[in-house]
Amino acid sequence: QLQLQESGPGLVKPSETLSLSCTVSGDSFSSTIYHWGWIRQPPGKGLEWIGSIHCTGTTYYNPSLKSRVTISVDTSKNQFSLQLNSVTAADTAVYYCARQATSSSSRYFDYWGQGTLVTVSS
Amino acid sequence: DIVLTQTPLSSPVTLGQPASISCTSSQSLVHSDGNTYLSWLQQKPGQPPRLIIYKISNRFSGVPDRFSGSGAGTDFTLKISKVEAEDVGVYYCMQAKQWPLTFGGGTKVEIK
Repeated sequence: QLQLQESGPGLVKPSETLSLSCTVSGDSFSSTIYHWGWIRQPPGKGLEWIGSIHCTGTTYYNPSLKSRVTISVDTSKNQFSLQLNSVTAADTAVYYCARQATSSSSRYFDYWGQGTLVTVSS
Repeated sequence: DIVLTQTPLSSPVTLGQPASISCTSSQSLVHSDGNTYLSWLQQKPGQPPRLIIYKISNRFSGVPDRFSGSGAGTDFTLKISKVEAEDVGVYYCMQAKQWPLTFGGGTKVEIK
């Protein structure tokens, strides 16, 4: 059973950088038919896709966040990471990592981490 | 960006009765490969989202058959044939036709 686990600080100061990692257990991390994504959800609100990365390092970002986001991958550790710069209170959210099937016939998020709440506050 | 609009915002349903959620896209979700990458996710309180339907009408592994999806082009529907207590939560549609990936605003299903 594939498992994803987010980790990182739960509190970040305004203007600083939010850094999270997602560790994947299972055997699909280096498979070319998957991307690995970050999605966030502000308290009481809906889902927002942040960006996705392929095991080759190819990235896709939400244009609304692109200037502040970096997603990277470390296949040796079965991990991918999120960095969000210059955070404000508006970046307070539960951050999820998820596996994104991207084969020629399947495109969806099928496995999700439990999520981690990141609060931006001084 | 593709905008997905869900209606209603909230759907109070009597146990055992059907529920229906609509998702309308700002443009056709038919990909150049002929597939329509519209999926539905269920989020129960305090839990991460869970995939229930992909490519309009395909139930994901382990999803009960009371859930069904339909639609084409820009208009899609999720139906629950007989709502059970465990179906309470927020349902989201999501498109993966093109980047950026986008979600609908969500529809809350609750018991009357």
